[in-house]
Amino acid sequence: AQTVTQSQPEMSVQEAETVTLSCTYDTSESDYYLFWYKQPPSRQMILVIRQEAYKQQNATENRFSVNFQKAAKSFSLKISDSQLGDAAMYFCAYRAGGATNKLIFGTGTLLAVQP
Amino acid sequence: GAVVSQHPSRVICKSGTSVKIECRSLDFQATTMFWYRQFPKKSLMLMATSNEGSKATYEQGVEKDKFLINHASLTLSTLTVTSAHPEDSSFYICSASWTVSYEQYFGPGTRLTVT
Repeated sequence: AQTVTQSQPEMSVQEAETVTLSCTYDTSESDYYLFWYKQPPSRQMILVIRQEAYKQQNATENRFSVNFQKAAKSFSLKISDSQLGDAAMYFCAYRAGGATNKLIFGTGTLLAVQP
Repeated sequence: GAVVSQHPSRVICKSGTSVKIECRSLDFQATTMFWYRQFPKKSLMLMATSNEGSKATYEQGVEKDKFLINHASLTLSTLTVTSAHPEDSSFYICSASWTVSYEQYFGPGTRLTVT
């Protein structure tokens, strides 16, 4: 069975600094997708970034980028120039390829941004 | 685009009663909807997957007779918590997607409190 592990329950970063959130996963599939979701205090889940496993290039969305290491089954999220609005719970998620869009979530990392 | 709403946002009910939560896709047709449960400071736990016009598929350990899911149209799915007990108090989140293997778009969640 696929699993997603986030080993950092809480992280803190100074405003304007860079922070990296860790995520590892376990799967025997070769075709899959990985995601980072943000859940602010409002509890609304927001997609931050996605990565297709078949793509070697790391995904980037403005200040958010990932370091996808397929062999190591690692998928970390880097937030550059951190802003107060980045404070939230961040969840890493896995989805198998093919005829499914069922997501498997990690346990989450609570990110605090210090002014 | 891709907006999902949930109603109500908060509900309080007495133990032994039933409560219905609605999940609507506002600007797209959702062939698949998902229902999650989230405990405080915890991850999302998938309860069931529903496809329009067919029976929901429940995750292991989720009582299908207690958590009734109906996906009667391409824009509406409902979760009914029957004979609610205080331990059913939680945050319930739905998500929707319009094709197999496509993005899930999340609703804002419903906080259920059973007294």
